[in-house]
Amino acid sequence: NAGVTQTPKFRILKIGQSMTLQCTQDMNHNYMYWYRQDPGMGLKLIYYSVGAGITDKGEVPNGYNVSRSTTEDFPLRLELAAPSQTSVYFCASSGRTGTSGSNEQFFGPGTRLTVL
Amino acid sequence: EDQVTQSPEALRLQEGESSSLNCSYTVSGLRGLFWYRQDPGKGPEFLFTLYSAGEEKEKERLKATLTKKESFLHITAPKPEDSATYLCAVRYNTDKLIFGTGTRLQVFP
Repeated sequence: NAGVTQTPKFRILKIGQSMTLQCTQDMNHNYMYWYRQDPGMGLKLIYYSVGAGITDKGEVPNGYNVSRSTTEDFPLRLELAAPSQTSVYFCASSGRTGTSGSNEQFFGPGTRLTVL
Repeated sequence: EDQVTQSPEALRLQEGESSSLNCSYTVSGLRGLFWYRQDPGKGPEFLFTLYSAGEEKEKERLKATLTKKESFLHITAPKPEDSATYLCAVRYNTDKLIFGTGTRLQVFP
């Protein structure tokens, strides 16, 4: 199993450009998440999904959009890039393991995005 | 407000010098406390989950403990390869986690 994969690894955008960060998991997990990590800050939840066709906002959703058409894929869309979106983006997934399941999240390697 | 605080922000240890990292939380209805390790340029790697006060888990030189207000990650006789950032996260409803800002650990030979 490859686990959680993300593409691209690095990207530089100009202000106002758009892009999609790709995330795929091969563990048949229902739950998927997008986080951003800024220097010296904790991981902040952007959006999450509890299954195909179901998404919800996290702590910092403004400027982003998501979709979940399949169990495996959970792309993150930036419509009008701004310098404040310069960050490292992590995708994660977790499986439902029952009401007392550990629900640990498995993370991808990240995408480092710079907006100039 | 739900919050997770980790201390210290950074810790420098000599190889073999044991120490502890702290994670304190203010969350109503704890549903799990998670420890992750993050190496530079990589995603967090899962270490432990703790659910109830008094619970302990061990993995090699690491031991995690939990009380009603905080968790400790004890590192016994650390080696340089234990150098990383250690993240604590609290599960506060079915699906979501709150992360602390992490402790950056450096172990020198």
